[in-house]
Amino acid sequence: SAVISQKPSRDICQRGTSLTIQCQVDSQVTMMFWYRQQPGQSLTLIATANQGSEATYESGFVIDKFPISRPNLTFSTLTVSNMSPEDSSIYLCSVEAGNTGELFFGEGSRLTVL
Amino acid sequence: GQQLNQSPQSMFIQEGEDVSMNCTSSSIFNTWLWYKQDPGEGPVLLIALYKAGELTSNGRLTAQFGITRKDSFLNISASIPSDVGIYFCAGYTSGTYKYIFGTGTRLKVLA
Repeated sequence: SAVISQKPSRDICQRGTSLTIQCQVDSQVTMMFWYRQQPGQSLTLIATANQGSEATYESGFVIDKFPISRPNLTFSTLTVSNMSPEDSSIYLCSVEAGNTGELFFGEGSRLTVL
Repeated sequence: GQQLNQSPQSMFIQEGEDVSMNCTSSSIFNTWLWYKQDPGEGPVLLIALYKAGELTSNGRLTAQFGITRKDSFLNISASIPSDVGIYFCAGYTSGTYKYIFGTGTRLKVLA
């Protein structure tokens, strides 16, 4: 398994501002995944982050809105830029542990945009 | 994006009853995962399945990898109040780095 810590756990943000979410893993991992969970919904993949290369974004998500950094094998950040109330969601960092196919999640960052 | 169909969408059950839920897909997967999410927390992995027909247990939870590789089932026996939460399935094909999540089953247990 993997232990994943996210910061902040929750925040209330003003429209038009940006917020960066940090994700720290207790072991080195190749791929890190960022998901969004809108209220009452399932999980939607935003992007996959591989250390040393540009993140790969899913359809409907763009780098200008959700820039991602992956400076090393244990850390990643996701920025939600120019926020609007529609960005109010839980943002989740996840990793696959040791090529098992098992995906583990952080506790999530709950953002509320006013 | 693509999602898997989970059934039922929600259910109320009495404490002590058994619960069954399923997850279906139009695509084949070689790994099925089942998660539980409590309010305000991230999903927690319950069971992972790797082979068609495989039956795996974790305490009172039993999950099965469907023989067609397009579905999976989760059973909870003798439910207790702390089983309340949302259960998600996820399908994965190795090497794709794509996990497809189900729509979720919301479970409420009446004491």
